[in-house]
Amino acid sequence: KAGVTQTPRYLIKTRGQQVTLSCSPISGHRSVSWYQQTPGQGLQFLFEYFSETQRNKGNFPGRFSGRQFSNSRSEMNVSTLELGDSALYLCASSLEPWPNYGYTFGSGTRLTVV
Amino acid sequence: AQTVTQSQPEMSVQEAETVTLSCTYDTSESNYYLFWYKQPPSRQMILVIRQEAYKQQNATENRFSVNFQKAAKSFSLKISDSQLGDTAMYFCAFMSSRGETSGSRLTFGEGTQLTVNP
Repeated sequence: KAGVTQTPRYLIKTRGQQVTLSCSPISGHRSVSWYQQTPGQGLQFLFEYFSETQRNKGNFPGRFSGRQFSNSRSEMNVSTLELGDSALYLCASSLEPWPNYGYTFGSGTRLTVV
Repeated sequence: AQTVTQSQPEMSVQEAETVTLSCTYDTSESNYYLFWYKQPPSRQMILVIRQEAYKQQNATENRFSVNFQKAAKSFSLKISDSQLGDTAMYFCAFMSSRGETSGSRLTFGEGTQLTVNP
């Protein structure tokens, strides 16, 4: 059974550009969440999606957006990149959003903004 | 807002020995979920163990067990018979029961880097 797949694994972008990250959840999982991991701020919640609807959003600026497709795959977009957006972006999936028996995480996309 | 605190940034243990990682949290809720995740150098977060707050029995998964003290808001992880493959960053995480209606999210602690020495 394939795990959570995130693409690309590494990405280098220039300040001001925009980027789209992709996440394919485990087959059958309908809930997808995104987290940002940085050395300074640790792990912070970005979004949660279920059945193509955003159920929850973290405390991030509007430059961060996401969506979920009918096949449960999800994308997140960051526009007008800043140096501080450099981070590991982790996607996680679960069968249902609630009750939550624990997320399965992907290996992340390492984004570097230069 | 809930907070999760892991007061041990780094720990080390000899192979085959037992180690306990500490975690405390702050919440006004009576029902919630607690998790321990490990993150090895491969970066993938792996679920180690899960505890539901309304269950008084401590969760156990093979060599991993927790000591859940609800009144003290403490959730420590005990690793028995430590193995080299247990070397990783360990994160304690909290999920509110309000997730059922207002969305689920994990609040993570700062992490504890565990090194198992041969």
